[in-house]
Amino acid sequence: DTEVTQTPKHLVMGMTNKKSLKCEQHMGHRAMYWYKQKAKKPPELMFVYSYEKLSINESVPSRFSPECPNSSLLNLHLHALQPEDSALYLCASSRTSGTAQVAQYFGPGTRLLVL
Amino acid sequence: AQTVTQSQPEMSVQEAETVTLSCTYDTSENNYYLFWYKQPPSRQMILVIRQEAYKQQNATENRFSVNFQKAAKSFSLKISDSQLGDTAMYFCASGGATNKLIFGTGTLLAVQP
Repeated sequence: DTEVTQTPKHLVMGMTNKKSLKCEQHMGHRAMYWYKQKAKKPPELMFVYSYEKLSINESVPSRFSPECPNSSLLNLHLHALQPEDSALYLCASSRTSGTAQVAQYFGPGTRLLVL
Repeated sequence: AQTVTQSQPEMSVQEAETVTLSCTYDTSENNYYLFWYKQPPSRQMILVIRQEAYKQQNATENRFSVNFQKAAKSFSLKISDSQLGDTAMYFCASGGATNKLIFGTGTLLAVQP
């Protein structure tokens, strides 16, 4: 089973709203990722969690706040977003490897529109 | 630093024909993986095929195969017997020692009936 689930599928929010994106996997993976993807572009890495600890933050603005409550769950808290933050937000997970990257498995994404 | 280059922004193929998507990469790492991901329109990104750099044998998954030329740093994807469901954006990616995938800019493949 290589399933990563994400909720909600679609989200519309105003610039003053607070919302959260959720991601879940039950593959026993200990690395989880948040990406932002614009139309017809490759995903851009935002955050990486390894063993529930934040290991990579790609200089993402503080209006995006990740959280990893346990090894299966990953959240992305959103606050005071800008219209340019509208995008598809992808979650992914993978085994961890000490020597080389192994495959990442992606969820279906949350399509976010900021008005 | 790692880079991945896909020089074909768009390609088209007739149903049942064979098509090859190009990818070149650059890395300073000795141990790395290479991947092809497929993202159909408004649908989920899925892993198509992976290649471990230390394996000389080219990876194959049903109608999908790769031509891995390590010295040339080339990693092309061949799709045989193309089907309408193969219409998608295809991303080539590399992964090394860190938990990061480096993606190419993608090739939009259209399979024509």
